[in-house]
Amino acid sequence: DQQVKQNSPSLSVQEGRISILNCDYTNSMFDYFLWYKKYPAEGPTFLISISSIKDKNEDGRFTVFLNKSAKHLSLHIVPSQPGDSAVYFCAASAPGWGKLQFGAGTQVVVTP
Amino acid sequence: GAVVSQHPSRVICKSGTSVKIECRSLDFQATTMFWYRQFPKQSLMLMATSNEGSKATYEQGVEKDKFLINHASLTLSTLTVTSAHPEDSSFYICSATGDKNIQYFGAGTRLSVL
Repeated sequence: DQQVKQNSPSLSVQEGRISILNCDYTNSMFDYFLWYKKYPAEGPTFLISISSIKDKNEDGRFTVFLNKSAKHLSLHIVPSQPGDSAVYFCAASAPGWGKLQFGAGTQVVVTP
Repeated sequence: GAVVSQHPSRVICKSGTSVKIECRSLDFQATTMFWYRQFPKQSLMLMATSNEGSKATYEQGVEKDKFLINHASLTLSTLTVTSAHPEDSSFYICSATGDKNIQYFGAGTRLSVL
């Protein structure tokens, strides 16, 4: 039962342009969402999160948007840099859960 | 952010042996730690939730006698893969919950069972 879905397995973007990663979820109980970045053979690194009481959170080049009615969130990276090339995971949690439900990930490749 | 240390980063063992992986929260106390497994080009699969001072909670389909978890202190959880077989070869990652309920991850352990 895939409760968090990242339907785009890969994304290629030119350096300096915007990267938009999408994530959909099915569980209406989810109230906290996170984005992680992962390089091969390393653990995920936390990027940014958003609570369901907000619809936007920004941190430097990273902005996460949440549309609760559509059960959809997105991560915007602008401007994209070569070092942003990695796999990005969307994750969600419900109240009292503690644990996270991860999406399948999106491989981002930033080209010069 | 909080730092989670995982050791070893890579281990190669013979079939039938047991392997222990350690996960430490270095600058914070973690009452709860999590163990994940990742297959190539797939998502992180939660194996179990490790609670300090109590038994771990395993996800459906994960053999608790195969994957022993001990959370003896607020900064250390261990995962022991008992009687490892080639199908246990995988990338194992631990995490600990820091402030604001953010999970911070270790660097992962690549287990190869020959």
